[in-house]
Amino acid sequence: DAGITQSPRHKVTETGTPVTLRCHQTENHRYMYWYRQDPGHGLRLIHYSYGVKDTDKGEVSDGYSVSRSKTEDFLLTLESATSSQTSVYFCAISGQGTDTQYFGPGTRLTVL
Amino acid sequence: DQQVKQNSPSLSVQEGRISILNCDYTNSMFDYFLWYKKYPAEGPTFLISISSIKDKNEDGRFTVFLNKSAKHLSLHIVPSQPGDSAVYFCAASLNNDMRFGAGTRLTVKP
Repeated sequence: DAGITQSPRHKVTETGTPVTLRCHQTENHRYMYWYRQDPGHGLRLIHYSYGVKDTDKGEVSDGYSVSRSKTEDFLLTLESATSSQTSVYFCAISGQGTDTQYFGPGTRLTVL
Repeated sequence: DQQVKQNSPSLSVQEGRISILNCDYTNSMFDYFLWYKKYPAEGPTFLISISSIKDKNEDGRFTVFLNKSAKHLSLHIVPSQPGDSAVYFCAASLNNDMRFGAGTRLTVKP
């Protein structure tokens, strides 16, 4: 298994509060991604990073921001959580942008 | 705008038989296609992939077929085993943009 961990694994929060999810990898891969998984939608890309301090938006980036200060860590922040952001969030990594992506175990976020 | 579609939300097959999972896409520029398998409470696990320059790729019991003219790919599992029961996602990629289907839940009955 690729060395990818996500923290926390579960979180319950209230509407309007900030939330930060962390993805940590030990593979030294250049690319890191954040997805959300919702019923009927599969996985949708939120943001991705192609290097330290290099990030770009994905398909569903509104309401989310990311940061990557080290190769191994990619943070996803919900500035002011809303109930529509209740979802399961997956981090993924790949060696190159077109390579196979390997996924972490996921974080289940509930916004009340 | 769902660019990758899996029109069958579920599929049930008997152990030992063939499982065929289907996927359609709309963007002819996609150049790499993948299948992932997902168990409950786990992240998706890479299963098999195919480049747009090929029409078939085989890995053990798993074979992926790509029909570019029809913008269709399929995953064949032969023979199916109870441990194959999971949700299967197809994905299509162009540069850093990977789009996923909504998934098909496969149940293999003993």
